[in-house]
Amino acid sequence: DGGITQSPKYLFRKEGQNVTLSCEQNLNHDAMYWYRQDPGQGLRLIYYSQIVNDFQKGDIAEGYSVSREKKESFPLTVTSAQKNPTAFYLCASSIKWKGSNQPQHFGDGTRLSIL
Amino acid sequence: KNQVEQSPQSLIILEGKNCTLQCNYTVSPFSNLRWYKQDTGRGPVSLTIMTFSENTKSNGRYTATLDADTKQSSLHITASQLSDSASYICVVSGAYNTDKLIFGTGTRLQVFP
Repeated sequence: DGGITQSPKYLFRKEGQNVTLSCEQNLNHDAMYWYRQDPGQGLRLIYYSQIVNDFQKGDIAEGYSVSREKKESFPLTVTSAQKNPTAFYLCASSIKWKGSNQPQHFGDGTRLSIL
Repeated sequence: KNQVEQSPQSLIILEGKNCTLQCNYTVSPFSNLRWYKQDTGRGPVSLTIMTFSENTKSNGRYTATLDADTKQSSLHITASQLSDSASYICVVSGAYNTDKLIFGTGTRLQVFP
């Protein structure tokens, strides 16, 4: 079945540690996205990539980094510079719809907590 | 400032009843509006998408309406089922930057037997 796979489902970070969240899709979608979801807030865009080897900062990119070396993979690293990383992280992908790329498919998320 | 506001914040209904969720937005100019369903601990799943020229779209027991003049949308759920218990998120895309979406905070719906 085609879809987006995020791993791990739960992740714990120690102070000063970098952690990497995995996102893989087999939908052959060009664009991929990372969002952060906090209680009582709407999803906020961290980074997005419309093509391999290219990505753009979203609204809250500070303390995060990404890479897009393969079309199907878009890992997110939460660095020690991100002082409040506890959140639910969602990866999404999209195809062109009416001329634009818009997230249509989401993974089931990774919940990151601080130890 | 582009915003999407949803009401109510939470809603409890009995199985079999109908309900309507509201979404007001200030995004302008407007490209399209989506409704997503998000089960607890899962990713959102798209229910409907409407452009400014569409005023209603159905997906099974879910019917979304859009009034682009008043910048309001609603999601009507008919004959609710226990599996409808979830958060429902309204998402709007502006016309100038259609790759960046503006998400509402969602309505938490609980359906009880």
